[in-house]
Amino acid sequence: DGGITQSPKYLFRKEGQNVTLSCEQNLNHDAMYWYRQDPGQGLRLIYYSQIVNDFQKGDIAEGYSVSREKKESFPLTVTSAQKNPTAFYLCASSIWGTVSNQPQHFGDGTRLSIL
Amino acid sequence: GQNIDQPTEMTATEGAIVQINCTYQTSGFNGLFWYQQHAGEAPTFLSYNVLDGLEEKGRFSSFLSRSKGYSYLLLKELQMKDSASYLCAVRDSWGKLQFGAGTQVVVTP
Repeated sequence: DGGITQSPKYLFRKEGQNVTLSCEQNLNHDAMYWYRQDPGQGLRLIYYSQIVNDFQKGDIAEGYSVSREKKESFPLTVTSAQKNPTAFYLCASSIWGTVSNQPQHFGDGTRLSIL
Repeated sequence: GQNIDQPTEMTATEGAIVQINCTYQTSGFNGLFWYQQHAGEAPTFLSYNVLDGLEEKGRFSSFLSRSKGYSYLLLKELQMKDSASYLCAVRDSWGKLQFGAGTQVVVTP
């Protein structure tokens, strides 16, 4: 079954600690994305990648970092510089482009909380 | 700037019809997507519009007017399982999605 796997489902961070959220897809999609969702707000784009070894900042990249060493994987690191990291993090993948009717597919999310 | 507006919450009775409106002002337009999201779960794709008009998919239909920057999602024959948040998202000139805050639909017996 093709899909997107995010892990862990729940994650707790201590003050001053970096944590990494995993995202793996087997849909053979070129593009991958990280979103943050806060209660009562829409999804906000953190980083996205159109192709291996390349990625761009989204609307709220400060305090986050990513890598794209393999097509299937797009891990997100929440650094200690992110002062308000408590949120629901969603990873997505898609065919890249502006004309495709194919949607972004989402993983089940990781809920990050501060200890 | 980017602006996508949806009502915060709507309540309807089981078996009824609900229409969720979405207005947008974005940097370019390359299609509009509707997603359903149950609490604590991943958004799932419902519909896609790029040309003006109505797209029908079973109990769900979506309409687009590009000149008005307006779309709606119509949910017919509401079921309890339709209680969820519905997200409107516009694909901009660069291929990225801009999301609205979502509309929480509450279906009552």
